[in-house]
Amino acid sequence: GESVGLHLPTLSVQEGDNSIINCAYSNSASDYFIWYKQESGKGPQFIIDIRSNMDKRQGQRVTVLLNKTVKHLSLQIAATQPGDSAVYFCADLARFTSGTYKYIFGTGTRLKVLA
Amino acid sequence: KAGVTQTPRYLIKTRGQQVTLSCSPISGHRSVSWYQQTPGQGLQFLFEYFSETQRNKGNFPGRFSGRQFSNSRSEMNVSTLELGDSALYLCASSLRLAGYTNTGELFFGEGSRLTVL
Repeated sequence: GESVGLHLPTLSVQEGDNSIINCAYSNSASDYFIWYKQESGKGPQFIIDIRSNMDKRQGQRVTVLLNKTVKHLSLQIAATQPGDSAVYFCADLARFTSGTYKYIFGTGTRLKVLA
Repeated sequence: KAGVTQTPRYLIKTRGQQVTLSCSPISGHRSVSWYQQTPGQGLQFLFEYFSETQRNKGNFPGRFSGRQFSNSRSEMNVSTLELGDSALYLCASSLRLAGYTNTGELFFGEGSRLTVL
């Protein structure tokens, strides 16, 4: 069945270091992926997205890598800051048999930035 | 530009009762989706509405229902509440129906936290 999972539930990194959050997906037909950040008490916020015709996309301090061969997605955060502490979700856009679509979210990885 | 607004933010109900949650999308957005978020389960898709019609539905029992009004505002209702319905219910809006252009950022509200006792 379709699923989007995360390799690590909690990731602790030192302030200033780079963070890498991983995600595995199972739907080989998925062709659009998003990373979201959710801070405590808030709704998820869009970070970056990537289509399946790309293997890398960069934003401000963030990079998303997509490996379709092994169905793996990662989010890299450069020079991690205390404000990056949050739960990060990956999501893929899955197609129903009816031809409609829905987003499938992973359970999330909690990123803790250590001072 | 105002973001997605959800009301109420917090509520407590008892088993067997029903609850209605409201979502006002970003102005101009016609798609509203609802998600249930529980610890360890991530976000589970409930349904998506577009132009007052339910377009997609997740794997939830019929106790979960929703609707969308002509101004794109949406409500979801849960009847005969169970303890397991305790969760954060998130609403997300977007310009287009999911998958229409095969992309599309979802803008989330801050959620309605439901506790069922």
